[in-house]
Amino acid sequence: EPEVTQTPSHQVTQMGQEVILRCVPISNHLYFYWYRQILGQKVEFLVSFYNNEISEKSEIFDDQFSVERPDGSNFTLKIRSTKLEDSAMYFCASSYGGGGRSTDTQYFGPGTRLTVL
Amino acid sequence: GDSVTQMEGPVTLSEEAFLTINCTYTATGYPSLFWYVQYPGEGLQLLLKATKADDKGSNKGFEATYRKETTSFHLEKGSVQVSDSAVYFCALSAGNTGKLIFGQGTTLQVKP
Repeated sequence: EPEVTQTPSHQVTQMGQEVILRCVPISNHLYFYWYRQILGQKVEFLVSFYNNEISEKSEIFDDQFSVERPDGSNFTLKIRSTKLEDSAMYFCASSYGGGGRSTDTQYFGPGTRLTVL
Repeated sequence: GDSVTQMEGPVTLSEEAFLTINCTYTATGYPSLFWYVQYPGEGLQLLLKATKADDKGSNKGFEATYRKETTSFHLEKGSVQVSDSAVYFCALSAGNTGKLIFGQGTTLQVKP
């Protein structure tokens, strides 16, 4: 069964450093998402991506964040200058979205735990 | 704005007990509703969903009915097992991009 994969599973970085979190969505999916979950808190939406552009972003997704689909299979989240409060589990998700249908079921990856020291 | 509220956890039950986890929502329009489950150390897995009022989603013995009149989507299971121990998230799909808005999650612990 196809699944969303994410690498690395755990990333430790120093405050102020850039990190890139990688995701490989399910191959025929058209909508891509990033969410994050700070330890013990709810899962929060960061950004959605469709047709090679950001379709929506949350207030959390400021200028320090960017997303890219560099090669038609990977979907990346870059944090330019990490802060302590960026420490969280980051989940990638994708949905089929054929015909622009955004309400299809989202399938989640296992997450990347980011620790900022 | 749109939001989801779940009952506080943790919920501790004995094996074979009846489970209810309450979920209510606030939304403009007609969102789709979901329950996701997160087992220890794993990502989120879709448990069930309902896309319109009065729809019942079901999977692995779990059920939830989309109640528009009470804006609720309570999760139920008739007989829980130890393997059901996990965190359960209620969510709604909002807006044109389908972003999910999650509740705070409810931890379920089932004891033998």
